[in-house]
Amino acid sequence: EVVLTQSPATLSLSPGERATLSCRASESVSTYLAWYQQKPGQAPRLLIYDASNRATGIPARFSGSGSGTDFTLTISSLEPEDFAVYYCQQRRNRVTFGPGTKVAIK
Amino acid sequence: EVQLVESGGGLVQPGGSLRLSCSASGFTFNTYAVSWVRQTPGKGLEWVSGISASGGTYYPDSVKGRFTISRDNSKNTLSLQMNSLRAEDTAVYYCAKELAAVGNPYFDCWGQGTLVTVSS
Repeated sequence: EVVLTQSPATLSLSPGERATLSCRASESVSTYLAWYQQKPGQAPRLLIYDASNRATGIPARFSGSGSGTDFTLTISSLEPEDFAVYYCQQRRNRVTFGPGTKVAIK
Repeated sequence: EVQLVESGGGLVQPGGSLRLSCSASGFTFNTYAVSWVRQTPGKGLEWVSGISASGGTYYPDSVKGRFTISRDNSKNTLSLQMNSLRAEDTAVYYCAKELAAVGNPYFDCWGQGTLVTVSS
């Protein structure tokens, strides 16, 4: 099973700041990695797939990069609605999710 | 508007069975793969089964032999039959639409979830 590790567990930032979230895989997943956003009481929302492709309707402030075992989700300037939990997910070998990074208001 | 609506959750005793359903609308159901994903506070998000547009099924080892996913393309419905339920199967269960007909399990639309509680 591919284990995904996300860091940090919590990121405390202010609106307008840049957020950089990390996802590391236990083995190479090539670029078969996605990022999701989840707010309390809601289902996850697909942001990025295949490491760097924005899903339909996702603002340009969200970007993804990486390949192999190391991936990054960047939010260029945090909007109030971006404070949420973010998960990575791989599809290289079945499907597994990371434990999440909470982006909290500082 | 793409919409997925789950039903069938509830309280069940260990060893018991439960059948979840998901009604899909707003897209051509028979041209997309769909999956079930569950979420718990302790274990986070876990994919529990997937089915391609043509009916090929996929499971992780944790549920293989206990869970069965199926679809009825004539009724735009996805189902999950869960047998031999354990306490660790307690979770919110989501149905989720995949990006393609097969082999591309990224989930671009999710239902609101249905809670399954396994307890005596």
